Amino acid sequence: EIVLTQSPGTLSLSPGERATLSCRASQSVSSSDLAWYQQKPGQAPRLLISGASGRATGFPDRFSGSGSGTDFTLTISRLEPEDFAIYYCQQHGSSRPMYSFGQGTKLEIK
Amino acid sequence: QVELVEAGGGLVKPGGSLRLSCAASGLSISDYYMSWIRQAPGKGLEWISYSSGSSAYTTNADSVKGRFTISRDNARNSVYLQMNSLGVEDTAVYYCAGGDNYEVFESWGQGTLVTVSS
Repeated sequence: EIVLTQSPGTLSLSPGERATLSCRASQSVSSSDLAWYQQKPGQAPRLLISGASGRATGFPDRFSGSGSGTDFTLTISRLEPEDFAIYYCQQHGSSRPMYSFGQGTKLEIK
Repeated sequence: QVELVEAGGGLVKPGGSLRLSCAASGLSISDYYMSWIRQAPGKGLEWISYSSGSSAYTTNADSVKGRFTISRDNARNSVYLQMNSLGVEDTAVYYCAGGDNYEVFESWGQGTLVTVSS
């Protein structure tokens, strides 16, 4: 079973600052199998990044994903008020369980 | 526009059963890989069940194996989750999610709350 560990658990930043969120896998993950989701209070998650770096429709280019192997990063270049949310990484694998999520990083306004 | 709408949540006693449904519009679920994902109150996301487009392949997380069953009716464009032997640990918002890429969850429903309590 591949375990995804996200850090930090909570990130307190101000609008305009740069956010760097980490997702570390317990085993190597194919980049094509790593995704990020954004979840705002009371809403369902939204696919943000697929294939480690491919931005989903509707998200601006201040969001970017990178990484390979066991270390992946979500970067938000300049935070806007609407970016404060919880972010989850997710992987799909050939072993059980079929999918797993990290525990999430809460990005809050400082 | 793709829309997934879950229904069937509610309050159920421990040991009870519930059947959730997920109605799709704007897509043909026969072309979609579909899953159920849950989120306990104040907690993170947990994938629990998957069905391939043809239903030829289904699989569950160990936490629900033997208790939950995913199915689909492509003619009704709907996916279902039969939940048996429910325990308090199954209390969560249940989302259906899927897409034409089995690696990610491109579309999500709004979720339906299941509360297991005596």
